[in-house]
Amino acid sequence: KAGVTQTPRYLIKTRGQQVTLSCSPISGHRSVSWYQQTPGQGLQFLFEYFSETQRNKGNFPGRFSGRQFSNSRSEMNVSTLELGDSALYLCASSPGRLYLDTQYFGPGTRLTVL
Amino acid sequence: GQQLNQSPQSMFIQEGEDVSMNCTSSSIFNTWLWYKQDPGEGPVLLIALYKAGELTSNGRLTAQFGITRKDSFLNISASIPSDVGIYFCAGQLPAGNNRKLIWGLGTSLAVNP
Repeated sequence: KAGVTQTPRYLIKTRGQQVTLSCSPISGHRSVSWYQQTPGQGLQFLFEYFSETQRNKGNFPGRFSGRQFSNSRSEMNVSTLELGDSALYLCASSPGRLYLDTQYFGPGTRLTVL
Repeated sequence: GQQLNQSPQSMFIQEGEDVSMNCTSSSIFNTWLWYKQDPGEGPVLLIALYKAGELTSNGRLTAQFGITRKDSFLNISASIPSDVGIYFCAGQLPAGNNRKLIWGLGTSLAVNP
């Protein structure tokens, strides 16, 4: 099976711009979770989508949003970028049926905000 | 957000040495997970623990779910250069606290050949 893919791998934006990141989960997986990873804060949970519905949400401002399509692919959008949004954004997929499935991570998208 | 206390923050060891790292929390967890992250990649699951007191091995790796359900440790025996990376613990709170994982800040491991 192909693993979790994320595009693009690297992105450079300027403050005030918006960005959309994409994640394709493992075939058959219906849950997609998004994380922000920074050296000082570790992995911070953004949100989880299951069957096109947001099932869980972390403590991020409304500038961070996401959606999931019927084929389970997911996108994450950040509007009005700030310097502090520079981070590695990781997507993880899992079957989604059990309380805790094993999460399989993609390689991440490295976002740099100038 | 919530975080686990993971220590040590970093380790520099000689090839062949054993390694030990741990995670502690003031909260009780139902599940403990240990991941490894290589540079430029996402975390990869190493070991999952589901019961208090559980001791599980994966090759040279051994992890235990603490009896109090508030801690876990990971041991790596006879380290080799490819063990280099960042090791993360993650815990899941009991049902009713939603599905999200709580993560440690990682232990960065360097191995001197």
